[in-house]
Amino acid sequence: QLQLQESGPGLVKPSETLSLTCTVSGGSISSSTYYWGWIRQPPGKGLEWIGTIYYSVSTYYNPSLKSRVTISVDTSKNQFSLKLSSVAAADTAVYYCARLMATISLSYFDYWGQGTLVTVSS
Amino acid sequence: QSVLTQPPSASGTPGQRVTISCSGSSSNIGSNFVNWYQQLPGTAPKLLIYSNNQRPSGVPDRFSGSKSGTSASLAISGLQSEDEADYYCAAWDDSLNGVVFGGGTKLTVL
Repeated sequence: QLQLQESGPGLVKPSETLSLTCTVSGGSISSSTYYWGWIRQPPGKGLEWIGTIYYSVSTYYNPSLKSRVTISVDTSKNQFSLKLSSVAAADTAVYYCARLMATISLSYFDYWGQGTLVTVSS
Repeated sequence: QSVLTQPPSASGTPGQRVTISCSGSSSNIGSNFVNWYQQLPGTAPKLLIYSNNQRPSGVPDRFSGSKSGTSASLAISGLQSEDEADYYCAAWDDSLNGVVFGGGTKLTVL
């Protein structure tokens, strides 16, 4: 059974960089079938796609966050990571990592981590 | 404001059938498959429907999805108290080159 687990600081200061890691167990992050992504959910609000990575080759970012986001993969550790720079209070959210099944016209997140709350505050 | 439009709330009594709509455009629902996620209180979202109308293993057949043009719907028949949750539609958007979500619909079982 595939499992994903987010880890990283729960509190980040304004203007600093948010860094999270997702550790994948029960499957290989190097599989050619899947992409890996990050989604966030501000308290009491809906889901927002942050970005997706495939094989360290291709990355896709939400245009509204693109200038501040970097997603990378570490195949040796079976992990992928999120960096979001210049954070502000509006970036306070539960951050989820997930596996994305994607083919032509079809893409869905089939496995999700439990989520981690990141608060931006001084 | 979300790219996909859902009603903020829906409700029904046990045993009833309820539907939740999701409206998009030609760049997302109109040209790609639609997925639905269920988020129970305090938990991570769970894939409920993929490829417009396919259920992952373990999802009861009380849940069904459909799509027509640039709109999609999730139907829940035989409503149960444990169905009380937030429901999100999602699809790939060719213009944004990314995944777009609906704003979510909070389902209340009366």
